[in-house]
Amino acid sequence: DTAVSQTPKYLVTQMGNDKSIKCEQNLGHDTMYWYKQDSKKFLKIMFSYNNKELIINETVPNRFSPKSPDKAHLNLHINSLELGDSAVYFCASSQDLQGVATGELFFGEGSRLTVL
Amino acid sequence: GQSLEQPSEVTAVEGAIVQINCTYQTSGFNGLFWYQQHAGEAPTFLSYNVLDGLEETGRFSSFLSRSDSYGYLLLQELQMKDSASYFCAVSRDDKIIFGKGTRLHILP
Repeated sequence: DTAVSQTPKYLVTQMGNDKSIKCEQNLGHDTMYWYKQDSKKFLKIMFSYNNKELIINETVPNRFSPKSPDKAHLNLHINSLELGDSAVYFCASSQDLQGVATGELFFGEGSRLTVL
Repeated sequence: GQSLEQPSEVTAVEGAIVQINCTYQTSGFNGLFWYQQHAGEAPTFLSYNVLDGLEETGRFSSFLSRSDSYGYLLLQELQMKDSASYFCAVSRDDKIIFGKGTRLHILP
């Protein structure tokens, strides 16, 4: 069983479209995250949720809307896609808000979004 | 503000030792992480330093000096499979912030 799974793995779409990426974790963790990794491999935090509650919104455009129906799921919806949104989006989870207890984030395999 | 600095690329020879340095500047610092990411894969956790000193896990060791806002990852007996990107990251009050990563190239 994959600990953190996200779908789809690849997504190619046109500018202006709306798309969603789904993430699920079966580790029983309280906190989930979305990170964006651009072409320069810079991993930047976008959002974090703790027990379905939004904790961090790292000045991400409001075209990006996360939704957490329960603590095991964190989905990312993107409206009006732009060329600059092309990146790999990683979902991650940790045992608590900072991952301090174990110091460990568990990442999904990533969703590569290409906007044409 | 916050910043993490690490070299963008390092090259070493198989069997050798390599050290990847990381300096950071952030408020609310809790600890320093290291993650490994192979091309096309997800980052995976390597180590976490909260206190000053050296933590050893097999061929990998990680060091932290809180007073110097500095840490490093030491990789010994390098193997070709260690070719990857290595990210330092800081745990602060409410999140984990990643550096830009160091691409490690290993020559046979």
